[in-house]
Amino acid sequence: EVQLVESGGGLVQPGGSLRLSCAASGFTFSGSWMAWVRQAPGKGLEWVANINRDGSAKFYVDSVRGRFTISRDNAKNSLYLQMSSLRAEDTAVYYCSKGSLDVCAQGTVVTVSS
Amino acid sequence: DVVMTQSPLTLPVTLGQPASISCRSSQSLVHSDGDSYLHWFQQRPGQSPRRLINKVSNRESGVPDRFSGSGSGTDFTLKISRVEAEDVGVYYCMQGTYWPHTFGQGTKVEIK
Repeated sequence: EVQLVESGGGLVQPGGSLRLSCAASGFTFSGSWMAWVRQAPGKGLEWVANINRDGSAKFYVDSVRGRFTISRDNAKNSLYLQMSSLRAEDTAVYYCSKGSLDVCAQGTVVTVSS
Repeated sequence: DVVMTQSPLTLPVTLGQPASISCRSSQSLVHSDGDSYLHWFQQRPGQSPRRLINKVSNRESGVPDRFSGSGSGTDFTLKISRVEAEDVGVYYCMQGTYWPHTFGQGTKVEIK
């Protein structure tokens, strides 16, 4: 069974940093593109970042480029999202996703507030 | 960015009756490889999104056959042949042809 389990969410002050992790199992992690998608409270879905199979290609939505870094460790079957210079508008549920949202994790809440 | 426009935004339906959601893109979603990367998602209250349909019309494993997708170019449709109570939620279309991938605003399906 494909499983994605996230961790690392929480409350952080504006300007602060947070690192999200996603542990994958049940599929060939190194053979899959991975992504982060987010959903602000009461709002729709927003694609945040993509990473290719070996981590050599990364894509970001404009609103996070230069502040967020997506990475992966294929040896550990893990995906990461390093978030810095966080803003109130980054407050959202962050979903780790296999491929093009083929499978989506349960979500981890990030709240940016003083 | 490619803009995805869904209609209606709210869809009251009667149990057992059909339902249809429209999704239009601001430019053709035909990729250079010939496929159109238009997907449909269901998000039930309090749950993560679940992909129902990939590449316009391919139903995901385990998705009831009352769900179907169609369309081409810039116009796409998700149909539910007979709405059941478990279909309540928000439905999103999403394009994966261009970066950044973009979603429609969502259509809330509710029971009358």
